[in-house]
Amino acid sequence: DAKTTQPPSMDCAEGRAANLPCNHSTISGNEYVYWYRQIHSQGPQYIIHGLKNNETNEMASLIITEDRKSSTLILPHATLRDTAVYYCIVRVRGSNYKLTFGKGTLLTVNP
Amino acid sequence: GAVVSQHPSWVICKSGTSVKIECRSLDFQATTMFWYRQFPKQSLMLMATSNEGSKATYEQGVEKDKFLINHASLTLSTLTVTSAHPEDSSFYICSAQTSGRAGSYEQYFGPGTRLTVT
Repeated sequence: DAKTTQPPSMDCAEGRAANLPCNHSTISGNEYVYWYRQIHSQGPQYIIHGLKNNETNEMASLIITEDRKSSTLILPHATLRDTAVYYCIVRVRGSNYKLTFGKGTLLTVNP
Repeated sequence: GAVVSQHPSWVICKSGTSVKIECRSLDFQATTMFWYRQFPKQSLMLMATSNEGSKATYEQGVEKDKFLINHASLTLSTLTVTSAHPEDSSFYICSAQTSGRAGSYEQYFGPGTRLTVT
């Protein structure tokens, strides 16, 4: 799996959009971009994934650049409960393909 | 949908004893489950990949005789930490992978098990 680079920490004001960047410049053509988050002392929670098109679900939006070398996870209206470590992972989509977790970004949402 | 449970959520045991942790996929069948370990302030580290009905595949550096994995059914995988020592104290997390027949191979995680060895 390709390696990703994320800032170690970010702050966001409650109610504002949180934009979390991820660099994956060595991504392969068959690798998807996945985002998970982990709230303290809990298991990771799936957020969203995409291949090359932008994606949106009830939790977030994922914007992938045209060259696929970077992406941004957008939480449109951050709440205090969104404080967590956010992991950007690139992975081939198929059986037995592992998720390799980096250090992620600690997002702190402030009141 | 795609709910994964773990039991127990936390356990304290004495050094030298064995501890079994269960991972269940509650509303889907999982031919593949994964076991991770997370030390304080660190990221998740994959320990092993568990396939139903076959032997688990362990990551480099993980002792297969110490961390016994059994994936006896499509909804249950167990991790047994044998002869536990204080350095095995950690947060153990499992994930279950949805089947390709559903159109995807996504991993969903359990809530984790906090193991403390005294």
